[in-house]
Amino acid sequence: ILNVEQSPQSLHVQEGDSTNFTCSFPSSNFYALHWYRWETAKSPEALFVMTLNGDEKKKGRISATLNTKEGYSYLYIKGSQPEDSATYLCAFLNNAGNMLTFGGGTRLMVKP
Amino acid sequence: GAGVSQTPSNKVTEKGKYVELRCDPISGHTALYWYRQSLGQGPEFLIYFQGTGAADDSGLPNDRFFAVRPEGSVSTLKIQRTERGDSAVYLCASSSRQAPYNEQFFGPGTRLTVL
Repeated sequence: ILNVEQSPQSLHVQEGDSTNFTCSFPSSNFYALHWYRWETAKSPEALFVMTLNGDEKKKGRISATLNTKEGYSYLYIKGSQPEDSATYLCAFLNNAGNMLTFGGGTRLMVKP
Repeated sequence: GAGVSQTPSNKVTEKGKYVELRCDPISGHTALYWYRQSLGQGPEFLIYFQGTGAADDSGLPNDRFFAVRPEGSVSTLKIQRTERGDSAVYLCASSSRQAPYNEQFFGPGTRLTVL
């Protein structure tokens, strides 16, 4: 059983605050790490696919880093906005390459 | 283009009843996945189809759960003799065989409530 963990489970911030959360995953048999953003009643939306140790990716105010040797990824949101409120999921893909193993998610709530 | 769709969006049923949940993947995607997200947890893998066949059904919790994909497109997840513990959001995803790193596209899910 693969252990993918996310922290914190939930986070309340004020509009304008910057925030970050963590995904930890097995450092062996790594193939890729996916980040998804899931708003209530909508489909999970792909944010990033991280593949190489040291990867750093950015989309607008959101960025992510990857450390495959120690088995963690950080997601950063700069200047949080109420529309950033969602659950952020990471998912580990091992080198068998089929199913994603998800963490429990971080639920972010941004207060205006 | 059209994304992954799932019907119904919500289903309320009574304990012991039979339910079917439907997934329409993105046209041309050969791989289809079912996941279940229970309250407070991340999505958990149930079953994976490559074409018409179930390539991996190791995540199905017990024999009350069954899924089919007879023509390699639409899939139906079937749950017999539902129990309260089956209440969850059931997510479907599809991907292209050529997708690098198995990028999966998700539907909005079906929220199943078993009373």
